[in-house]
Parts: sequence; structure tokens; C-alpha cells
Amino acid sequence: DAGVIQSPRHEVTEMGQEVTLRCKPISGHNSLFWYRQTMMRGLELLIYFNNNVPIDDSGMPEDRFSAKMPNASFSTLKIQPSEPRDSAVYFCASSSLPLVRGKTEAFFGQGTRLTVV
Amino acid sequence: AQTVTQSQPEMSVQEAETVTLSCTYDTSENNYYLFWYKQPPSRQMILVIRQEAYKQQNATENRFSVNFQKAAKSFSLKISDSQLGDTAMYFCAFMKQGPTGNQFYFGTGTSLTVIP
Repeated sequence: DAGVIQSPRHEVTEMGQEVTLRCKPISGHNSLFWYRQTMMRGLELLIYFNNNVPIDDSGMPEDRFSAKMPNASFSTLKIQPSEPRDSAVYFCASSSLPLVRGKTEAFFGQGTRLTVV
Repeated sequence: AQTVTQSQPEMSVQEAETVTLSCTYDTSENNYYLFWYKQPPSRQMILVIRQEAYKQQNATENRFSVNFQKAAKSFSLKISDSQLGDTAMYFCAFMKQGPTGNQFYFGTGTSLTVIP
């Protein structure tokens, strides 16, 4: 498997524009997470999905942020309208349930560095 | 709610020496997993070591080992024989299993610099 795939790797956009970040989880994983990383706040959980269903979106900063997972192999995080304070690295991660008491972990994509000017 | 606390924003260690990174967590769960992830300048998040809460034995992976104190809710990472390539941000993470999937929570990270 190619791992968790995020696109784009870098995004520069102007304030007020819509930004869409994309994620393809590892095949077979049933949990998907979106994180935002900044120097000030570290790694923040924005939202996570189990079996394509949003479970907890309490970390989404405000209504300008939205996330969808239309199927098991694709998720998007959208910011509309974008603001300079949204500049950060956004990570997508996926995970699967361990088999009984087997191994599990979160597998991360390479992240998208978003710059809003 | 689960919280993960890393009280050391920055640390440094001389090459070949040993360093310990601290992590505490708060949970009412009995069954869970704990992790240390490494994030080098490349930005990639890399799993360093994993500990299942039901296991009393501390996990080890080559030069990396943990001190897991379940009652104290403490999970420190020890890096022995530090190497320049260990320079990175280290994140402590807690995972619990929900009925349909996993929930991960991360600390704010410790920036480790290995000095030649």
C-alpha cells in the first residue's frame, strides 16, 4: 500500500478564497482523522470519521471549516473563506481496529502546508 | 475527555548520551494504547514505539524504551546512545477504541536537539 496520500503538498492562496485539501486513507482502514499543526498549538484534532461517519467535529475551529468522507477511500477538508490565521500544516491520518489485542497505530500522510496571504 | 501533557517544549542532549522525554495523560479508560511519534524536519510522522495498557512489560525498540506507569498515568520515552538523526519533534499519543473505530489524542510535542 502507498500509505495515506494527501494532496496538494503545498497550497498558497489568497484570503477569502476557498481551499480544499484531499486525503486517501490506507485501504481497509475504517478511521480517518484530520489534524492541524501550528507552532503555537501543536497537533490539534479537527475531526475524525469512523466508517465514513463523522464522530467528533468539536475541534473544527468554526463554520468556515467543513469535512466530508463520501466513501471509504476519500475525504476532503474545506475552508471557505480562508483567512491568514488558517495557515498551518494539515495532516490526514488513518487507522484500523486491532485484531482482538493486536497492533494498531495512526498512519499519517505527508501533510499539506497551507499558506493564506 | 482524554488529555495528553508533554511538559517539556524543548530539550537537548549530547550525542551518545541518554535523554528522557516526559508524558502524562488523563483517562478513565482501562484499555488503551500509548505511542511516541517522531517528526523530523521532513514533516513525516513516524511511529517510534507503542505500548498496550494491558501489558505490564515496558516496550523497547532498539535504542528506544518507555517507562509506563499505569497508576501514575505516566509514559516517558528514553532514548539511549542519542544520534544526530534523533533530532526531531516527539509527540506522545493516547488511543482508545470506540465501538466503531479508534480515537487518538496527541500532546503538544517536545522538540529534541542532539548536539554533536
